[in-house]
Amino acid sequence: DGGITQSPKYLFRKEGQNVTLSCEQNLNHDAMYWYRQDPGQGLRLIYYSQIVNDFQKGDIAEGYSVSREKKESFPLTVTSAQKNPTAFYLCASSITWLTDTQYFGPGTRLTVL
Amino acid sequence: GNSVTQMEGPVTLSEEAFLTINCTYTATGYPSLFWYVQYPGEGLQLLLKATKADDKGSNKGFEATYRKETTSFHLEKGSVQVSDSAVYFCALSASGNQFYFGTGTSLTVIP
Repeated sequence: DGGITQSPKYLFRKEGQNVTLSCEQNLNHDAMYWYRQDPGQGLRLIYYSQIVNDFQKGDIAEGYSVSREKKESFPLTVTSAQKNPTAFYLCASSITWLTDTQYFGPGTRLTVL
Repeated sequence: GNSVTQMEGPVTLSEEAFLTINCTYTATGYPSLFWYVQYPGEGLQLLLKATKADDKGSNKGFEATYRKETTSFHLEKGSVQVSDSAVYFCALSASGNQFYFGTGTSLTVIP
């Protein structure tokens, strides 16, 4: 089955540590996205990648980093510079940057202890 | 700029009741409009979409019509079920494929 997988589902981190969230898709989509979801709020865009080896900052990129070395993979690193990292993180993809429908993974809940 | 405003929840309905969740938008150009649904602890699933004015998106008994004159995309279902309990997000896709999401409306359907 084609789809987007995110791992782990739950992640705990101590303050001051970097942590990397995995996102993999086997849909052959060019574009991938990372969103952050906080309780009672909509989704906010962290980073996006239109194509492999390219990525752009979204609305709330500070304290995060990404890479796009392979088409199917778009890992997100939450660095110690992110002041309030506890949130639900969602990865999404679309066929191309110009295609209007995004498909989402199941999410990773990150908790900073 | 682009933005989406949807009615605040939570919404609680009895099974078989009629559902309306309001969504209005502000956009430059001609956006596509979406409803996504999120079940507890899961990612978002595309429920329906409409890409131009007067289009009606529909899926699983849910419907929404793209109304350019009122800049609205209200979600409706004639008879809700317990399994429809979830959070519903209205969203728009503008030029460059950036998505703008509403804050979500939580729906609980009681038997």
